[in-house]
Amino acid sequence: AQTVTQSQPEMSVQEAETVTLSCTYDTSESDYYLFWYKQPPSRQMILVIRQEAYKQQNATENRFSVNFQKAAKSFSLKISDSQLGDAAMYFCAYRSEGGGADGLTFGKGTHLIIQP
Amino acid sequence: DTAVSQTPKYLVTQMGNDKSIKCEQNLGHDTMYWYKQDSKKFLKIMFSYNNKELIINETVPNRFSPKSPDKAHLNLHINSLELGDSAVYFCASSPFGALRQETQYFGPGTRLLVL
Repeated sequence: AQTVTQSQPEMSVQEAETVTLSCTYDTSESDYYLFWYKQPPSRQMILVIRQEAYKQQNATENRFSVNFQKAAKSFSLKISDSQLGDAAMYFCAYRSEGGGADGLTFGKGTHLIIQP
Repeated sequence: DTAVSQTPKYLVTQMGNDKSIKCEQNLGHDTMYWYKQDSKKFLKIMFSYNNKELIINETVPNRFSPKSPDKAHLNLHINSLELGDSAVYFCASSPFGALRQETQYFGPGTRLLVL
């Protein structure tokens, strides 16, 4: 079974600074998907960014980018120019590639605090 | 337009009762899911379902059962509610098939409190 580990229960960053959230995972599969979801106090789960394991290029979405290291099974999220609205729980998630109705395996989350 | 909706948003009930949570998606997706988020914010898959198969997480008690009247709906029925069932329940959906569109889209969640 796959596991996802987020080793930082909480991170704090000054507004406009850059912060990196860590995620590692364990799998024996070669093809899979990785995601970062954001959960603000409203509790809505919002997709931040996704990465296909077969792609070597790191995904980027505006101020959000990932550092995907397949050999090291590492998938960190970098948030540049942090904004107050970025304050939330961030969850790293893994999904198998092989067809079928596979659910996501989540890490335990990192609580991101933005200091004004 | 809400892509994945759930009702109710809040549910307070007594131990031993039977309750249902409804989920609807208007994305045309083939696969729907139920997740449970516990008091420590940990999210865990409960069920995955499409029109061909139901996949049940082996840790889910059989008091929980998904019911799908059609492709756009996947409701969650819970019998004989227990205190430990208190959590936030999320519905999600995703496309299914050959397309590499594996992103799951989540509903707003239903906070269940069992007294």
